Amino acid sequence: AQTVTQSQPEMSVQEAETVTLSCTYDTSENNYYLFWYKQPPSRQMILVIRQEAYKQQNATENRFSVNFQKAAKSFSLKISDSQLGDTAMYFCALLTQGGSEKLVFGKGTKLTVNP
Amino acid sequence: AAGVIQSPRHLIKEKRETATLKCYPIPRHDTVYWYQQGPGQDPQFLISFYEKMQSDKGSIPDRFSAQQFSDYHSELNMSSLELGDSALYFCASSLALGRANEQYFGPGTRLTVT
Repeated sequence: AQTVTQSQPEMSVQEAETVTLSCTYDTSENNYYLFWYKQPPSRQMILVIRQEAYKQQNATENRFSVNFQKAAKSFSLKISDSQLGDTAMYFCALLTQGGSEKLVFGKGTKLTVNP
Repeated sequence: AAGVIQSPRHLIKEKRETATLKCYPIPRHDTVYWYQQGPGQDPQFLISFYEKMQSDKGSIPDRFSAQQFSDYHSELNMSSLELGDSALYFCASSLALGRANEQYFGPGTRLTVT
């Protein structure tokens, strides 16, 4: 079975500062992918960033980057230069290749960016 | 770019009634997933379809059924609704099952059961 754990239910950061959201996961599969999804108050699920487990290089998307530690099964999200629009619920998700490729989500971290 | 379309966006039903949720995937996407997100919860996988065949089934009640049609749109049918079925139901689509492509989510259907 695959599990995803987000140990920070809520976090806050000042505008323009940097914040890191934590995520750990567990899977016995070798081929898997990790994602961070953002869910703003509109409740739309928006893909933020994706990491292939077979890639050692950490993924980056503009102000968003990840720290992928495969041995530790850790996948944290760093948001640089935080903006008010980053206020949202952030879900870490795991997808194992093969089969249905369903997403398994963590419980989420509610991030508030303060002006 | 075209996105996943879900209808209706909001639905209010009474207990024991039936509801049908529709999902239109992104053009050329052949895989559809349904997720249920209860209040304050993370999305939970319900069921998925690839090329009109069910590919996996998660924590979906027997009262629920779903299918994918020849035009790749999908419908989630929910019968004997219970108060606990009140949730946001997401449909997501992706291209080519087996390639771990990104799943793109629709805006969701908010179902309220009274």
